Amino acid sequence: DGGITQSPKYLFRKEGQNVTLSCEQNLNHDAMYWYRQDPGQGLRLIYYSQIVNDFQKGDIAEGYSVSREKKESFPLTVTSAQKNPTAFYLCASSAGTILSGNTIYFGEGSWLTVV
Amino acid sequence: EDKVVQSPLSLVVHEGDTVTLNCSYEVTNFRSLLWYKQEKKAPTFLFMLTSSGIEKKSGRLSSILDKKELSSILNITATQTGDSAIYLCAVVHAGAQKLVFGQGTRLTINP
Repeated sequence: DGGITQSPKYLFRKEGQNVTLSCEQNLNHDAMYWYRQDPGQGLRLIYYSQIVNDFQKGDIAEGYSVSREKKESFPLTVTSAQKNPTAFYLCASSAGTILSGNTIYFGEGSWLTVV
Repeated sequence: EDKVVQSPLSLVVHEGDTVTLNCSYEVTNFRSLLWYKQEKKAPTFLFMLTSSGIEKKSGRLSSILDKKELSSILNITATQTGDSAIYLCAVVHAGAQKLVFGQGTRLTINP
């Protein structure tokens, strides 16, 4: 089945630790995105990548890092510098840019809780 | 600052009712508006609206864009319990090449 796979689905992090959320897609999409969802605030863009080996900061990139070494993979690292990391994280992809009218498809999400 | 505002934030109705969800936006360099349904985890795509006044329809769901009023509505007729979800509105910002999301409307359909 084609789709976007995020793992783990649930993750607990101790304060001061870095954690990495995995996102893999087999849709052959060029563009990939990471969003954060908090209650009552909708989705906010963390990072996006339109092509392999290239990525740009979104609206709330501080405390996060990404890499795009392969077309199908776009892992997100939540570093200890992120002050309030507890949230629902959604990975997404699109065949091309959203400006070209391409729809964004989402993965199932990962819940991160800081303990 | 770019902004997308949805209303109401929460709505509870009975099965069979018709509902209208609202989305208004203040986004420079607007390109298009999208609606998503989020039942549990992954938002699923419903509609993309680019032209004003042209209704998009899919079964009991329909949506229309009003560029003059900078808004869109999503209508659901003859609601069913399976329509219970968070409905997200997002606007494409052409300059920044990103989606700007609203807060979402949580719709609950009671049997």
